Amino acid sequence: LAKTTQPISMDSYEGQEVNITCSHNNIATNDYITWYQQFPSQGPRFIIQGYKTKVTNEVASLFIPADRKSSTLSLPRVSLSDTAVYYCLVGSPIYNQGGKLIFGQGTELSVKP
Amino acid sequence: NAGVTQTPKFRVLKTGQSMTLLCAQDMNHEYMYWYRQDPGMGLRLIHYSVGEGTTAKGEVPDGYNVSRLKKQNFLLGLESAAPSQTSVYFCASKGTPHSTYEQYFGPGTRLTVT
Repeated sequence: LAKTTQPISMDSYEGQEVNITCSHNNIATNDYITWYQQFPSQGPRFIIQGYKTKVTNEVASLFIPADRKSSTLSLPRVSLSDTAVYYCLVGSPIYNQGGKLIFGQGTELSVKP
Repeated sequence: NAGVTQTPKFRVLKTGQSMTLLCAQDMNHEYMYWYRQDPGMGLRLIHYSVGEGTTAKGEVPDGYNVSRLKKQNFLLGLESAAPSQTSVYFCASKGTPHSTYEQYFGPGTRLTVT
């Protein structure tokens, strides 16, 4: 599983768009990029997963440039309830037996009123 | 659907005592996982299972044992608890599609070993 680097913390205000960038210089051809969200005292929750270009769902967008060495999670118009830790993970669920996840420290997002 | 449930939610043990944490899922998922999370850190994988009757070691398996006798249940055992095992324990499950890393997590068990 490729190593990832993301900011330890970020601050934002309600209504703003938040972009969290993750670096993964050693990403392999078969690797996907996955993001999880974790609220205090809760288990992580899957947000989004992508392989290349752009992926969008009802919660977030994931932008992946052509070289795939980084990715950006975009949260539109954040609210106080988006305050959480966001984890970027890179790996191949196809070739990784058991679909194991390796979590880093994540980015602690604090949304202020 | 209850999703993934964990029992108990909280527990305090004395050093040397044993206990079993129960994880149950009602989504008919093949894969199940046990993680621990220490303050300010990400989750670390303890053990996992790719199907009923199978188990495998994760990153930090020492001091723990697991069993998957039924597809819906995954048990984590501590034979002789140590203060270093004070942590929050999360269970997760995943369906069979190999193209996704989407795991479903339980609410966690907060364990304190004194």
